[in-house]
Amino acid sequence: AQSVTQLGSHVSVSEGALVLLRCNYSSSVPPYLFWYVQYPNQGLQLLLKYTSAATLVKGINGFEAEFKKSETSFHLTKPSAHMRDAAEYFCAVSGGTDKLIFGTGTRLQVFP
Amino acid sequence: DTGVSQDPRHKITKRGQNVTFRCDPISEHNRLYWYRQTLGQGPEFLTYFQNEAQLEKSRLLSDRFSAERPKGSFSTLEIQRTEQGDSAMYLCASSFGQGQAFFGQGTRLTVV
Repeated sequence: AQSVTQLGSHVSVSEGALVLLRCNYSSSVPPYLFWYVQYPNQGLQLLLKYTSAATLVKGINGFEAEFKKSETSFHLTKPSAHMRDAAEYFCAVSGGTDKLIFGTGTRLQVFP
Repeated sequence: DTGVSQDPRHKITKRGQNVTFRCDPISEHNRLYWYRQTLGQGPEFLTYFQNEAQLEKSRLLSDRFSAERPKGSFSTLEIQRTEQGDSAMYLCASSFGQGQAFFGQGTRLTVV
């Protein structure tokens, strides 16, 4: 069985500050891991994914995430936040089956 | 527009009525997924199709819910005898094989 836990339902940062959104996973098989972003009243857009290749994964909009098996973590980071990054972010895991198991989400607020 | 299309975007219905939602996937995608997202939560898997075959159903999909994908193209999700607890955003996604899943903008259902 697979699950993800997102620590912190809300994160607030100033524009230009580091963004760190935390995700820990549980999986009985080697996991595929994903980060999605959701803007208000929109569907989900894939930011990046880990599929057992490089442990540091670079995604769109300047985001990246590092897979750490020893810590069962896949935290999302961005060196410098922009106002347009304000949205809901979801971590998800897939165990090689086709469905995605999502976390409860982290709402990112960016202050000027 | 070549993305995943969902119709309607919003639906308000009275408790006890039946509703049907439609999803048109990206044309060459053979896999189609339905998820449900309630306020403050991540999307939860409901069911998925490969071509016209429904391969997996979540226990969340009670007997009041039925999904079809005739001819492996568009899909419909029907909810019979709606309850207030069915109020949610219903998301559709499609992929080619186990490739990236692309999400539609969702149908927001409100049961009054």
